[in-house]
Parts: sequence; C-alpha cells; structure tokens
Amino acid sequence: RKEVEQDPGPFNVPEGATVAFNCTYSNSASQSFFWYRQDCRKEPKLLMSVYSSGNEDGRFTAQLNRASQYISLLIRDSKLSDSATYLCVVNLRGGYNKLIFGAGTRLAVHP
Amino acid sequence: DAGVIQSPRHEVTEMGQEVTLRCKPISGHNSLFWYRQTMMRGLELLIYFNNNVPIDDSGMPEDRFSAKMPNASFSTLKIQPSEPRDSAVYFCASRLPGLRDGYTFGSGTRLTVV
Repeated sequence: RKEVEQDPGPFNVPEGATVAFNCTYSNSASQSFFWYRQDCRKEPKLLMSVYSSGNEDGRFTAQLNRASQYISLLIRDSKLSDSATYLCVVNLRGGYNKLIFGAGTRLAVHP
Repeated sequence: DAGVIQSPRHEVTEMGQEVTLRCKPISGHNSLFWYRQTMMRGLELLIYFNNNVPIDDSGMPEDRFSAKMPNASFSTLKIQPSEPRDSAVYFCASRLPGLRDGYTFGSGTRLTVV
C-alpha cells in the first residue's frame, strides 16, 4: 500500500462548481499534513496546511480525520486559475520531518 | 527573499556523461531535500540533509547518484555516468525545522539524457 494515496483524476468541472479531493495515508503516526498545488511544468507550491480542527482559506477548506487517516480539500466557486494538480502531503513522525507526497489529483476547470 | 535557486534550468546530455545539478537553499532553512519527478513515479525523495549532514539517502537510485552539501548555502546532485532513464525533473527544496513548516521548492532542473 502506498504511504499516501490520491485519486489521480482528472476532475473536469465548470467554473463556479464545488469540487472535493480526498487523500488517505497509511502511517497512523503522521503528525502534520499539507496540500500543495503544482501547475504544469512548474514546481509544487504550498497551498495550505491541514489542522486537526479543519481550516479554511478563502474558497479552500481542508479537513483531517485522524481516525480514518483521511484528508480532504474542498474548493468552492472554482476558477479557471484553479486548474492544476493538487498534491496531498504527509509528514512522517521522526526527528527530521520527512514529507511524503501523493501522486496528485489533476483538476481542470472549464468555462 | 530569492527563494530556492537551482541551476541549470535545463540540461541535455549524452548517455555516459557526468551531470551536476546545483541548489542554493533559502537562507536560514536548515533542511534540504532533493526530489525527482517523472510522469510514471511522481515525486520521489532522493536524499535529504539536515544542518548539512546527509540524513536519509535511501531514495538514491544507485551508486551513479551522489549528493553533497559542503555548506549551508549550497548543495549538488551528481549523476555519473548518466543514462536515458535518469531523464526527469529534479527539484531541490528547503525548509525550516518546525513541524508546521512546508517545503519551498526551487524551479527544478529538467534533465534529458539522450
């Protein structure tokens, strides 16, 4: 089983739609969680951290369920500029904070 | 802040040649990571350094790959000899030590071995 698993997509949605991505992780000792965004032929960039109580940043909401080892990202009112690959990232417990990246979920927002 | 700086941006080389990729982390970041990204395998962690010391190189594919970090502001990833299957985008990333701190990636080096 992969350490971090995501639905690869692609998710094709119209502008204004709400879309949700899910991610599961295998190591119950994982301590911190992130969503990264990667545009085509660019480097990954931190979108948001994921906190235990859930957190929101504008149109983006992240949720964490430790019992189920499940993370989600909700995007409301999708924009064309949201088209990208979204990477689920998990920090394994240990002294040196190694981040493990999922393979990513591709989102395409169309007019 | 200039961010993580990688060079070169693109490299095309012939099989068997030595390739050296360079990275300058963000000043003050004490951890540095080298990743490789391909369509088939996604982002793979090759090696990471903490305070210039290599901590985990289990992701380095084979002896042809080596990495160094002689000081806090510079790291290299070397492939010798290079092979076509090494073609990928190589990213360097750095971070602060806090658990809540994500990585900052450089723009990557797109390597093509022909």
